[in-house]
Amino acid sequence: DGGITQSPKYLFRKEGQNVTLSCEQNLNHDAMYWYRQDPGQGLRLIYYSQIVNDFQKGDIAEGYSVSREKKESFPLTVTSAQKNPTAFYLCASSPFGTGSEQYFGPGTRLTVT
Amino acid sequence: SQQGEEDPQALSIQEGENATMNCSYKTSINNLQWYRQNSGRGLVHLILIRSNEREKHSGRLRVTLDTSKKSSSLLITASRAADTASYFCATVLDTYSGAGSYQLTFGKGTKLSVIP
Repeated sequence: DGGITQSPKYLFRKEGQNVTLSCEQNLNHDAMYWYRQDPGQGLRLIYYSQIVNDFQKGDIAEGYSVSREKKESFPLTVTSAQKNPTAFYLCASSPFGTGSEQYFGPGTRLTVT
Repeated sequence: SQQGEEDPQALSIQEGENATMNCSYKTSINNLQWYRQNSGRGLVHLILIRSNEREKHSGRLRVTLDTSKKSSSLLITASRAADTASYFCATVLDTYSGAGSYQLTFGKGTKLSVIP
């Protein structure tokens, strides 16, 4: 059963704590992405990775970090430096990298209080 | 970075009617994509249309692209209650203008409600 999984679905954290969101895919895709979605808004790109051991900042990378040690996994850490971390986080992958269609996970809703 | 803008922001129709959503963008694109998002879920890719294409169909979906007007439309024919969702257009630039240029840039979406 191929696809992208994100865990957990809901995550609650206290302000000042770092938190890591999981994203795993078994689609054998090279490229992976992290987006943030705020209520009533479109998606904004946080980080993306075209290949293992390489990743690039997107439009809103400040306060976030990523790693890409395995093709299947692209975890996102929301650090305490992120000023407004409460949001819906979406992970995606694509088979052909730049500009091709993307396949999305179900998302993680992070609430920081 | 460039962003597509969908119009209208919200649309409410009766089941069986057609739904039309529009997307406008600012600079030249390589391709434009439409995605659907059910409430609280991930996005699902619907159609990709390249800059040298004018129209594409997929089942009940029809997408047009007018590069001279920098606009695209998504038509859903014979709508069903299950079509209720938010619909997003996303653009990919065709020229480099800094990091992330060739990545998708999403609009804010059109929220479609189909009333049974």
